[in-house]
Amino acid sequence: NAGVTQTPKFQVLKTGQSMTLQCAQDMNHEYMSWYRQDPGMGLRLIHYSVGAGITDQGEVPNGYNVSRSTTEDFPLRLLSAAPSQTSVYFCASSYFLGESYNSPLHFGNGTRLTVT
Amino acid sequence: GQQLNQSPQSMFIQEGEDVSMNCTSSSIFNTWLWYKQDPGEGPVLLIALYKAGELTSNGRLTAQFGITRKDSFLNISASIPSDVGIYFCGSEKLTFGTGTRLTIIP
Repeated sequence: NAGVTQTPKFQVLKTGQSMTLQCAQDMNHEYMSWYRQDPGMGLRLIHYSVGAGITDQGEVPNGYNVSRSTTEDFPLRLLSAAPSQTSVYFCASSYFLGESYNSPLHFGNGTRLTVT
Repeated sequence: GQQLNQSPQSMFIQEGEDVSMNCTSSSIFNTWLWYKQDPGEGPVLLIALYKAGELTSNGRLTAQFGITRKDSFLNISASIPSDVGIYFCGSEKLTFGTGTRLTIIP
C-alpha cells in the first residue's frame, strides 16, 4: 500500500542546474498537486492537475514546470535552480469532487532540496 | 489564493494540558480539514469537516466547523508526547494555514 511516493528524499543542486522531482500515486486519484514548505510560510501550492493532460498554476508557479501524461505520475521540473527554491517539496493527491468540494489530500514524505 | 489565518503560530505546553488552535478566513468554505505533520514526514489527515456547525472527534482530538463557515477549531485534550508536531488547517480550495507548532515541555 504505497500511497504517494516521492523521489528523491534529498537533493543538492548548484544554481542554474535543472532537475525533476518525481511523484507517483497508486490510489487512482484524479487530483495531484505540488506544494513547497518554507519556515513560517506553511504549504504553498505550486502547480496542480485534475486529470491526465490537464495542469494549472497554483500560488507560486514561477520557475517550475509540470506535466501529467498518466493518472499515476506528476513530475515537477525545476528549469534553472535558484537559491530561493531551497525548500521542502510535497506532492499530494486526492479524488476530485468538483469545484466546491475536494476529498482530503494524501501527501508524500517530501523532497528536501538545497540550491547552493 | 484564499488566505487561511491560523493561530497560534506555536505553543509550548506541559504533558497533560489541553490544547486549542483555530483557523479563520474572510472567505466561506464548504470543507475544513485538519492535518498533522511529524518531523521529516508529510502531513496526515486528522479530521475532515463538511457541514457548518459540525463537531467531530477522533480520540482525544475534537474539531468544529464554525457556523459562519469562515472558521474552524481544533482541540486536543490531555496532550501526550506524540502530539508534538505541526498542525495545519486546510480547505476545499487546497490552501492551508501557516501551521501551529506544538512543543511539549518536559
